[in-house]
Amino acid sequence: ETGVTQSPTHLIKTRGQQVTLRCSSQSGHNTVSWYQQALGQGPQFIFQYYREEENGRGNFPPRFSGLQFPNYSSELNVNALELDDSALYLCASSLDPTRRGNTGELFFGEGSRLTVL
Amino acid sequence: GDSVTQMEGPVTLSEEAFLTINCTYTATGYPSLFWYVQYPGEGLQLLLKATKADDKGSNKGFEATYRKETTSFHLEKGSVQVSDSAVYFCALVGGSQGNLIFGKGTKLSVKP
Repeated sequence: ETGVTQSPTHLIKTRGQQVTLRCSSQSGHNTVSWYQQALGQGPQFIFQYYREEENGRGNFPPRFSGLQFPNYSSELNVNALELDDSALYLCASSLDPTRRGNTGELFFGEGSRLTVL
Repeated sequence: GDSVTQMEGPVTLSEEAFLTINCTYTATGYPSLFWYVQYPGEGLQLLLKATKADDKGSNKGFEATYRKETTSFHLEKGSVQVSDSAVYFCALVGGSQGNLIFGKGTKLSVKP
């Protein structure tokens, strides 16, 4: 069983630039969620994708956007980077959110650490 | 809104000591509850879960019981090891989006 993989693992950008982070979901999972984890904090929900559509969004501005592809992989795009966007970005996959008995368990990748200078 | 509150860290223990990390929650209804662990430089791994009141989740010697009366899900381990050094996050499924809501995390350091 292939776990959740993310790329790149580390990257450095400057203010105003744009970044794309990528995620491959765990085998058999069709739902992908993205979380932002600032240093010393718990992860914060950005959004979730299911069947290639955004299926829920946290309190993040529109410059945070995403995509999900037919193979269930996903991208997170952040435009006009700000210093406060520096964080670990975690991708998590899960089963169909409408599936009976789904307890909401997420399976996380190791994250992409973004530094904005 | 839904939220999770964890005890502040860091927590430093000697090997074989007893561990308790407190977690309380605020939520509508009875959400599934989780403990995730994050080892240095890694992503989050599910440690244990409980899906209904009075359920006890357990894994690798860690336990937590879903207490609806006290809205708590405290993590315990009878004898910690150096390899348990990590950050521990309590979480619930909640909010308007049905997403995971995390506490701020508790850093545990175990000394030999």
